[in-house]
Amino acid sequence: IAGITQAPTSQILAAGRRMTLRCTQDMRHNAMYWYRQDLGLGLRLIHYSNTAGTTGKGEVPDGYSVSRANTDDFPLTLASAVPSQTSVYFCASSDSRGHNEQFFGPGTRLTVL
Amino acid sequence: GQNIDQPTEMTATEGAIVQINCTYQTSGFNGLFWYQQHAGEAPTFLSYNVLDGLEEKGRFSSFLSRSKGYSYLLLKELQMKDSASYLCAVLDSNYQLIWGAGTKLIIKP
Repeated sequence: IAGITQAPTSQILAAGRRMTLRCTQDMRHNAMYWYRQDLGLGLRLIHYSNTAGTTGKGEVPDGYSVSRANTDDFPLTLASAVPSQTSVYFCASSDSRGHNEQFFGPGTRLTVL
Repeated sequence: GQNIDQPTEMTATEGAIVQINCTYQTSGFNGLFWYQQHAGEAPTFLSYNVLDGLEEKGRFSSFLSRSKGYSYLLLKELQMKDSASYLCAVLDSNYQLIWGAGTKLIIKP
């Protein structure tokens, strides 16, 4: 692995289904983030983690949950998907939360029908 | 509320210079970032300003005026590969990044 990876690349999901988006980084970064990007809007923070074992809510956390069991992995779960969660999801990481640049994964394109 | 404003789209000619403006109103300020995002790809870091003034990095420069809540990204000697969206983001008092919607830059030959 080089950098930050996400899986799946894209997914079509029926409304009401549960879905976990995976994110793994190998840079030993402490902070990790999940964003959604919708046309005409800026990136919006869903959840973040300052370090392994801690998580926090971002701007649009409703309907999503995260966990940070170790430094490398930061999965995002949609418990019961709804069409408004159709979006491109980016995972990112940085050495620490704040002034450091964030490195982004390639994104997951999710469509909820 | 917090707000980042950027033009939605700009067009420029290959070899020319273009300036992309960003104005912000946020709860506190701990720095301003510029990212580049090619269509269908992830954002990548371009620059970070926390003090007033101009930061130059090759063909790209970024300027900040904290008193005016204003920044610009200057791209010189434009190349076709510079066609992308440019995202302005401000680090607020809670160290959360607030993102603008991005400026789509179209380069014409």
